[in-house]
Amino acid sequence: AQKVTQAQTEISVVEKEDVTLDCVYETRDTTYYLFWYKQPPSGELVFLIRRNSFDEQNEISGRYSWNFQKSTSSFNFTITASQVVDSAVYFCALSNNNAGNMLTFGGGTRLMVKP
Amino acid sequence: DVKVTQSSRYLVKRTGEKVFLECVQDMDHENMFWYRQDPGLGLRLIYFSYDVKMKEKGDIPEGYSVSREKKERFSLILESASTNQTSMYLCASSSWGHNSPLHFGNGTRLTVT
Repeated sequence: AQKVTQAQTEISVVEKEDVTLDCVYETRDTTYYLFWYKQPPSGELVFLIRRNSFDEQNEISGRYSWNFQKSTSSFNFTITASQVVDSAVYFCALSNNNAGNMLTFGGGTRLMVKP
Repeated sequence: DVKVTQSSRYLVKRTGEKVFLECVQDMDHENMFWYRQDPGLGLRLIYFSYDVKMKEKGDIPEGYSVSREKKERFSLILESASTNQTSMYLCASSSWGHNSPLHFGNGTRLTVT
């Protein structure tokens, strides 16, 4: 069975601080995909990134960066110089090698960025 | 841009009522999904469909059924609503393929009293 754990249920930071959201996953599959989604107050989940299990390169996109470490089964997400607009619930998710794209989600981390 | 539209943002129903949640996507996606979101539990898959008239159970199908008569529409049905089905329901769609991200609707917050 697959499992995704986001141990931080809530994080509160002050604007311009850096913040890292942790994600640890469990799977028996050798091929799998990892995702991060953002859910702003409007409710609609927005896709941020996907990674396949063979690509351990870290990725940076503007203020966002992702650190994938197979050795520790982690896929952490860092926001640099956080902004109030980053306030949202962030979900990490795992999909095995199925074209149906069934995702197993973590419990989510609520990030509050205060001005 | 992909648009996934859920017919209601908020619904209040009574215990025992039959409830229909509707979802429509406009990008000709093969896959459609229904999740429910509860605090601390993240999103849990109820049902998904990979083609018209096809459906597969997710992790928590009990008390729910689905219907997909047309490719663009995926309905979630609560045959006899119960208070423990009070939740946020999210519909999503994706194209077929391992790398295809899910596109979500805004959600329907259902309260069963």
